[in-house]
Amino acid sequence: KAGVTQTPRYLIKTRGQQVTLSCSPISGHRSVSWYQQTPGQGLQFLFEYFSETQRNKGNFPGRFSGRQFSNSRSEMNVSTLELGDSALYLCASSLGLAGGFYEQYFGPGTRLTVT
Amino acid sequence: GQQLNQSPQSMFIQEGEDVSMNCTSSSIFNTWLWYKQDPGEGPVLLIALYKAGELTSNGRLTAQFGITRKDSFLNISASIPSDVGIYFCAGQPKEYNFNKFYFGSGTKLNVKP
Repeated sequence: KAGVTQTPRYLIKTRGQQVTLSCSPISGHRSVSWYQQTPGQGLQFLFEYFSETQRNKGNFPGRFSGRQFSNSRSEMNVSTLELGDSALYLCASSLGLAGGFYEQYFGPGTRLTVT
Repeated sequence: GQQLNQSPQSMFIQEGEDVSMNCTSSSIFNTWLWYKQDPGEGPVLLIALYKAGELTSNGRLTAQFGITRKDSFLNISASIPSDVGIYFCAGQPKEYNFNKFYFGSGTKLNVKP
């Protein structure tokens, strides 16, 4: 079974620009969660999508948004980039079923650098 | 927000030694996950725990879900150089049925051959 894939792996953007990151979950997984990882703050939860609906949300500003398509692939968008948005963005996929097992499997991440 | 205290922050050990690390929280968790992350890669799931008191092994790794549901432990026996990396715990608060996890700050493991 193929793992979680994320594209692109590396991205350099300028302050004020916007960026879209993509995540393809493991086949059969309907939940995709997004995390931001920085040396100072560690791994922080952004949001989770399940069956094209945002089900959980972390404490990030509205500049961070996401969506999920009918094939469970997900994208996250960051608008008006700030220097502090430089981070490794990770997506994790899981079955996401209520009352089920919640193992999350991570992709390799997208390294975003904002200059 | 939720706070997960993971300790130690880093460890320097000799190959062959056993290692222990733990995570604690002031809140009750339903699920604990343990991950290992290598530089430039995403975290890899090592062990998942779902029940208070549960003890689960994966090769040389053993993890336990604390009885109080506020802590979890990971032990690595007979460490080898490829165990080097950062280990993270992740907990799912009891008030959530779905995927919302909080992560510890990580334990950086260094193994000297």
